[in-house]
Amino acid sequence: AQTVTQSQPEMSVQEAETVTLSCTYDTSENNYYLFWYKQPPSRQMILVIRQEAYKQQNATENRFSVNFQKAAKSFSLKISDSQLGDTAMYFCAFMKPYNNNDMRFGAGTRLTVKP
Amino acid sequence: DTEVTQTPKHLVMGMTNKKSLKCEQHMGHRAMYWYKQKAKKPPELMFVYSYEKLSINESVPSRFSPECPNSSLLNLHLHALQPEDSALYLCASSQDPSWADTQYFGPGTRLTVL
Repeated sequence: AQTVTQSQPEMSVQEAETVTLSCTYDTSENNYYLFWYKQPPSRQMILVIRQEAYKQQNATENRFSVNFQKAAKSFSLKISDSQLGDTAMYFCAFMKPYNNNDMRFGAGTRLTVKP
Repeated sequence: DTEVTQTPKHLVMGMTNKKSLKCEQHMGHRAMYWYKQKAKKPPELMFVYSYEKLSINESVPSRFSPECPNSSLLNLHLHALQPEDSALYLCASSQDPSWADTQYFGPGTRLTVL
């Protein structure tokens, strides 16, 4: 079974600064998909970024980027120029292909951006 | 349009009641999901529907009964629930059940069982 570990239950960052959220996972698969989802206090889960394991290039979406280290099974999320609207719960998630899109989440990191 | 809608937003029910949660998407997605999320916890997968057929049931108690009447609609029928079933119930959809497509989530239904 795949497990996803987020070792930082809570983090805070000053507005405009950079913060990195960590995520590690355990799998014997070679092909898989990793996601970061954001859940603001209003609770709707939103996709932040997605990474395919077969791609060596790290995914980037505007201020959000990942550091994907396949050998180390690490998938950290970097948020640059943090904004107040980035305050949310961030979940790292793992999915195997051809498995009915069964997605498994880590425990989450609660990020607070301070003015 | 990447919208998944869920109704109602809030639901309070007694342990003897029967109620239903509704989820709808008009993105042409062929996979739909129910998740349960307790406070300060990650979502836990309950059910997956692929092409309107139940493909995953994560050992969910029979007091939860899913239904997929068509490709756009997903229901979760509730009966004889327990107080510990109180949670946020999230619906999600994705385009292709046979591929690792991104899941799009609805805003959830906050369920309280008295």
